[in-house]
Amino acid sequence: DVKVTQSSRYLVKRTGEKVFLECVQDMDHENMFWYRQDPGLGLRLIYFSYDVKMKEKGDIPEGYSVSREKKERFSLILESASTNQTSMYLCASSLGRGLETQYFGPGTRLLVL
Amino acid sequence: AQSVTQLDSQVPVFEEAPVELRCNYSSSVSVYLFWYVQYPNQGLQLLLKYLSGSTLVKGINGFEAEFNKSQTSFHLRKPSVHISDTAEYFCAVSPSSGGSYIPTFGRGTSLIVHP
Repeated sequence: DVKVTQSSRYLVKRTGEKVFLECVQDMDHENMFWYRQDPGLGLRLIYFSYDVKMKEKGDIPEGYSVSREKKERFSLILESASTNQTSMYLCASSLGRGLETQYFGPGTRLLVL
Repeated sequence: AQSVTQLDSQVPVFEEAPVELRCNYSSSVSVYLFWYVQYPNQGLQLLLKYLSGSTLVKGINGFEAEFNKSQTSFHLRKPSVHISDTAEYFCAVSPSSGGSYIPTFGRGTSLIVHP
């Protein structure tokens, strides 16, 4: 079974802090994704990566950056956390293109005070 | 570009009743179609997907969906729901051609099953 793990289930940070969210997948998947999930808005893509050291902006990249130094690990960075970044963050991975199932981690619920 | 519309944000239903969760999409190219489920405090997991072939797709936990190309719909159905089906359901589409393979998700439908 594919396993996608996220470093924290719950996180509380203060405004202005630098925040790192880490995601690891164990199935040698090419693609990895970061989404944020907000009530009534569904999933919105922040960034994705289709290879090591490659990254592409999604629909809402502002205020975020990512890093993919190893194939299995994809990090989301909030350079200076703000209260409007309070959300559920979901990481996902997939093998190939389009027709492949996305496998999701359990999510990190981030609260920025 | 593609878009997904889930017509109901919330669907309340009694246990053992049938349910249909509606999903419509628009796209300039052919698409693959997915339904994911998110149980409370968990990530999403795949229920079923349509890639090609038979338009009626069966998934896990007794769910099925029918692809209707003329109506650009992919509605999810279950003939008899259980309390344990209470969850958030997401419809998603992904282009099957054209280079971009990034899926687009709907806003989700909250299925609430009452005893």
